[in-house]
Amino acid sequence: QVQLVESGGGVVQPGGSLRLSCAASGFTFSSYGMHWVRQAPGKGLEWVAFIRYDGSNKYYADSVKGRFTISRDNSKNTLYLQMNSLRAEDTAVYYCAKDGSGYSYASAFDIWGQGTMVTVSS
Amino acid sequence: DIQMTQSPSSLSASVGDRVTITCRASQGISNYLAWFQQKPGKAPKSLIYAASSLQSGVPSKFSGSGSGTDFTLTISSLQPEDFATYYCQQYNSYPQVTFGQGTRLEIK
Repeated sequence: QVQLVESGGGVVQPGGSLRLSCAASGFTFSSYGMHWVRQAPGKGLEWVAFIRYDGSNKYYADSVKGRFTISRDNSKNTLYLQMNSLRAEDTAVYYCAKDGSGYSYASAFDIWGQGTMVTVSS
Repeated sequence: DIQMTQSPSSLSASVGDRVTITCRASQGISNYLAWFQQKPGKAPKSLIYAASSLQSGVPSKFSGSGSGTDFTLTISSLQPEDFATYYCQQYNSYPQVTFGQGTRLEIK
């Protein structure tokens, strides 16, 4: 079945770095745009970043621009989020999510991963 | 940026009730509107896309409507498993999407 599984979360000090991974299965990963979305404790959903199906274009929320980098390895069916210069306000559960339509045609998300927790604290 | 405002922020209802949640966009978004359900400690689940189309496997008790700036999610015959938080999301500005603040549906 279609599945997304995140990993790589943990506790990191302010200013530190972390790389999240999202392993995809059950669909043709290389045909779909992918997103990262986060949710701070007790708060709502915040879109973080997007990468086109072929990796050719990337977009970021202003809150993470210049600090986070989204990437993908279509040969490994894996999405990544490199997070640098982490701040306390980056503490959240990070979800990867799949576009509902292929080839990065404007679409809603259809599948979400289970999430991975990132805590930024000294 | 397109802002999404949901109302109410919280809602109490009884098993068997029919409820409606509203989502308003700060500018017209055609029908580029999705709804998600999230239970405590779980990932969001996709319910509706294109304002009124059900995702695969979602029961017909969920329905969506609207176009432009005003949208609704209606849940009929509430069951215990329906009590959750619901979010709307606009993707008119895809890929830079935005979410509403959420509506918490609680058991009365």
